Amino acid sequence: QSALTQPASVSGSPGQSIAISCTGTSSDVGAYDYVSWYQQHPGKAPKLLIYGVSNRPSGVSDRFSGSKSGNTASLTISGLQAEDEADYYCCSYTSSVTRVFGGGTKLTVL
Amino acid sequence: QVQLVESGGGVVQSGRSLRLSCTASGFTFSARGMHWVRQAPGKGLEWLAVTSYDGSEKYYADSVKGRFTISRDNSKNTLYLQINSLRAEDTAVYYCAKDTTTPQIDYWGQGTLVTVSS
Repeated sequence: QSALTQPASVSGSPGQSIAISCTGTSSDVGAYDYVSWYQQHPGKAPKLLIYGVSNRPSGVSDRFSGSKSGNTASLTISGLQAEDEADYYCCSYTSSVTRVFGGGTKLTVL
Repeated sequence: QVQLVESGGGVVQSGRSLRLSCTASGFTFSARGMHWVRQAPGKGLEWLAVTSYDGSEKYYADSVKGRFTISRDNSKNTLYLQINSLRAEDTAVYYCAKDTTTPQIDYWGQGTLVTVSS
């Protein structure tokens, strides 16, 4: 049950687009379309951004999008805004019926 | 609206046991899988355990198997996490969270802080 691999940090300027990768294995990310992404601001609970690889819950901005290729999923944030500065986590269902999170990525808006 | 409220955290001595609770409202609790996830200070999210909607199936992270027990009481809309033989490394905010109709977490509680002291 090793954690999914995410970059520790990414940064971008307001208005730019950034992507955060999430690499797993053929037993988790590569095997199922049950990849979700969460945003967490300091001191707050995580918030669902993307589920089912690329689906947005109602109320989540369409600036957030998700995709997957093989064992790697990605979260793209377009039109960066100051309020997007937060930690981002991916999560996948696994063949052991467990879940596994990525190590988290800190997004800095310059 | 969905609400998940955790309780039971606090300062506990190393080696003791603790039971966390999570009271749910705003959805049909007995129809959804439920999880516990923790976050150590300054660290990332760590998935701990899941129970099926009726409690018949339970799965754990290898790191806590044998020491943590997840359970639920659907008559009380409450989820539990029993933690035995507490260690310093169990110090974390513990979140309960619910599944969607697919095995993915959508809503989270605000968390309860467990601090293990020596």
